[in-house]
Amino acid sequence: KAGVTQTPRYLIKTRGQQVTLSCSPISGHRSVSWYQQTPGQGLQFLFEYFSETQRNKGNFPGRFSGRQFSNSRSEMNVSTLELGDSALYLCASSLQGGNSPLHFGNGTRLTVT
Amino acid sequence: SQQGEEDPQALSIQEGENATMNCSYKTSINNLQWYRQNSGRGLVHLILIRSNEREKHSGRLRVTLDTSKKSSSLLITASRAADTASYFCATDGYNQGGKLIFGQGTELSVKP
Repeated sequence: KAGVTQTPRYLIKTRGQQVTLSCSPISGHRSVSWYQQTPGQGLQFLFEYFSETQRNKGNFPGRFSGRQFSNSRSEMNVSTLELGDSALYLCASSLQGGNSPLHFGNGTRLTVT
Repeated sequence: SQQGEEDPQALSIQEGENATMNCSYKTSINNLQWYRQNSGRGLVHLILIRSNEREKHSGRLRVTLDTSKKSSSLLITASRAADTASYFCATDGYNQGGKLIFGQGTELSVKP
């Protein structure tokens, strides 16, 4: 089976712009989670989608949003970008979520200038 | 918020030595998982231990769980240079609604 695919791999944006990141999970996986990783804060949970419904949400402002499509592919969007949004954004898929192992993509490295 | 905290933050050893990393967490859990991350890449799942298990093995990996102390340890035996990576524990807590919360990680360096 193909692994989790995240696109794009690198992205450079300017403050105030918006960005959309894409994630294709492993075939058959219905849960997709998103994490933000920074040197200072580590891995922070953003949200989890299961069968097109947001099942869990982390403590991020409303500028961060996501969705999941019927084929389980997921997108996350960040609007009005700030310098502090610069991070590695990781997507992970699993069969059921927290009860089962997460399979991570290699992430999207977002730089906000 | 972080549920797990790893100790030490960084560890440097010689090839062939054993590496032990510890993880402490705050609330009751359903399971605890360990992951490895090579620089700039995604995390790779290593092992999952459930709250009713005390020890689990996978190849050169041994994980223990002490729910009374709210702690876990990951032992890598006979380490190799290829084991150089960051290691994270992650908890699925009772009150976390199924989401996995990661600790800050231990950076392991294995010198040839």
